[in-house]
Amino acid sequence: QSVLTQPPSASGTPGQRVTISCSGTSSNVGSNTVTWYHQLPGTAPKLLMYFNDQRPSGVPDRFTGSKSGTEASLAISGLQSEDEADYYCATWDDSLNGVLFGGGTKVTVL
Amino acid sequence: QVTLKESGPALLKPTQTLVLTCTFSGFSLSTSGVRVSWFRQPPGKSLEWLAHIDWDDDKFYTTSLKTRLTVSQDTSKNLVFLTMSNMDPVDTATYYCARSPPAFSTSLTSFDYWGQGILVTVSS
Repeated sequence: QSVLTQPPSASGTPGQRVTISCSGTSSNVGSNTVTWYHQLPGTAPKLLMYFNDQRPSGVPDRFTGSKSGTEASLAISGLQSEDEADYYCATWDDSLNGVLFGGGTKVTVL
Repeated sequence: QVTLKESGPALLKPTQTLVLTCTFSGFSLSTSGVRVSWFRQPPGKSLEWLAHIDWDDDKFYTTSLKTRLTVSQDTSKNLVFLTMSNMDPVDTATYYCARSPPAFSTSLTSFDYWGQGILVTVSS
């Protein structure tokens, strides 16, 4: 069971907006920046968002990250079929002194 | 061009020791702020951070596996090693190494390049 809580699944039709939450505590999300990764089956994770809301070069602006208190969110607007993947949040935990990942959210494009 | 690639045994027996090698290119682990980390992902499950080694040879380990893990580097050969002792079937997973560049040094969780991963199966 992951310390960072994500919904196991999310879905939408092409063009819709989907939001994924990542809930933590004061020792992790509440006091450190959040990173988001997405992962296609059989491939390595790919960096999607860092420092809560910063997109690496090449990530479309359809992806938006935010954080408030102990909860972070990733929004995907204008959903496309290529967005079907597993999405993971990650942050540092000051109590455990280590990196934590969420359980992952599988995004399905209907 | 930054690349990383994991190598090691695909199959181990219980109680054996796993030694994985991360061979990287396109950057130097001697550069201030660079970090290389190890992760694993059991089939169908989420990611788990295992350890990381910093440019200044500082090392950090996940608390739950600290007694079984050792991370080290050969800077001259662009290699990072992960040793995990006393392997068990529950350690069956795909193991990844990844890089964090200096720009992300304050993040602790942002890794911009990942290896392709290596599936390690532990079975008698």
